[in-house]
Amino acid sequence: QSALTQPASVSGSPGQSITISCTGINNDVGDYRHVSWFQQHPGRAPKLIIYDATYRPSGASNRFSGSRSGNTAYLTISGLQSEDEAQYYCTAYTRMLWLFGGGTKLTVL
Amino acid sequence: QVQLVESGGGVVQPGRSLRLSCVVSGFTFSNYGMHWVRQAPGKGLEWVAALSSDGTTTYYVDSVKGRFTISRDNSKNTLYLQMNSLRGEDTALYYCARDLRPWYLGEYWGQGTLVTVSS
Repeated sequence: QSALTQPASVSGSPGQSITISCTGINNDVGDYRHVSWFQQHPGRAPKLIIYDATYRPSGASNRFSGSRSGNTAYLTISGLQSEDEAQYYCTAYTRMLWLFGGGTKLTVL
Repeated sequence: QVQLVESGGGVVQPGRSLRLSCVVSGFTFSNYGMHWVRQAPGKGLEWVAALSSDGTTTYYVDSVKGRFTISRDNSKNTLYLQMNSLRGEDTALYYCARDLRPWYLGEYWGQGTLVTVSS
């Protein structure tokens, strides 16, 4: 069982915005650092799209944005496109290990 | 450009050993921490092990402690994962990944090497 909880699936229509949550089981915010988000298409390696909860690495689309409130991190994808259909994972560093969320399947309707 | 290429996967019997390699290029290997992350068939990502840029600090997920060893040879631009006492639950696609900055997992990833533990 993952220590980071994500919804199993979300969906949206082209042009809409969606938000995926990532909640830690520990209510101490300071326990989770280096929160990142990854996108993974079938048969492909994961791709970093958000790091430190809110920053985009070079090459990541500006339609991806991240935020954090309490022990929950959020990934928002605006202006949905068909290519955004993929699996999305959050990850965080805590107590000398890295945790991944269970993943969220995004379907673009 | 940055490249990470894993190798060494295959089919192995339970209890046996395997060593994975990850050869990198396109950046100064000795400046970056590295990780192994695995993905069982049809499942999510699981972080396995991490190693500091100078090779002195290691971290492991509990399920592999005492069985797996992460190491690096900075002169060969190569990261390793020695896997001993393999179990069926170790069956997965194993990715190596490079830090963005110290302990920020996963700016770059390889394509993975498949390990299947089966009798």
